[in-house]
Amino acid sequence: GQQLNQSPQSMFIQEGEDVSMNCTSSSIFNTWLWYKQDPGEGPVLLIALYKAGELTSNGRLTAQFGITRKDSFLNISASIPSDVGIYFCAGQTGANNLFFGTGTRLTVIP
Amino acid sequence: ETGVTQSPTHLIKTRGQQVTLRCSSQSGHNTVSWYQQALGQGPQFIFQYYREEENGRGNFPPRFSGLQFPNYSSELNVNALELDDSALYLCASSLGTGTAFFGQGTRLTVV
Repeated sequence: GQQLNQSPQSMFIQEGEDVSMNCTSSSIFNTWLWYKQDPGEGPVLLIALYKAGELTSNGRLTAQFGITRKDSFLNISASIPSDVGIYFCAGQTGANNLFFGTGTRLTVIP
Repeated sequence: ETGVTQSPTHLIKTRGQQVTLRCSSQSGHNTVSWYQQALGQGPQFIFQYYREEENGRGNFPPRFSGLQFPNYSSELNVNALELDDSALYLCASSLGTGTAFFGQGTRLTVV
């Protein structure tokens, strides 16, 4: 099956710093999605990207759908303590199931 | 709040038993997908139901089965539970191939 690799695996940053994480795949996807998951909860959708090259923002979050359709990145500006959590990328092909990345664990130090 | 609700939130079962997990989809959504998330991993696709029919399946054995009802709610059934089945089981609903929204999950522990 498709393998999605996220990097970095974990990050420790100071409150107020910007964050960047990315996701690469061996396969092409038609849609890229970014989710945030808190412990014991389900993933919450942050941003959805539907077209190669698309750059989309949601508040302090910005994500891009790579031109090759095999990668995506997520940036968080001016991090705050509630940004703590695990961030997952997910790719979707013509079929309906999502393939998830390995996750990036973000810790924000006040 | 995504409008997707799962029950129960937690349960403990013994190896060899059977379990049924339930999911109510978001209003207006006709598609439900189930995922298994082992500790420290990303969610893995189990299967999807669309208009009461299975519409795609991941790499899971037949002892994982499901149902979707006319109101689009869904059940995941797992027979002959194994210790490795311990995980967070997530349900996601969508309108066809649209964006999937997840429930809070059911934490299953098999002992």
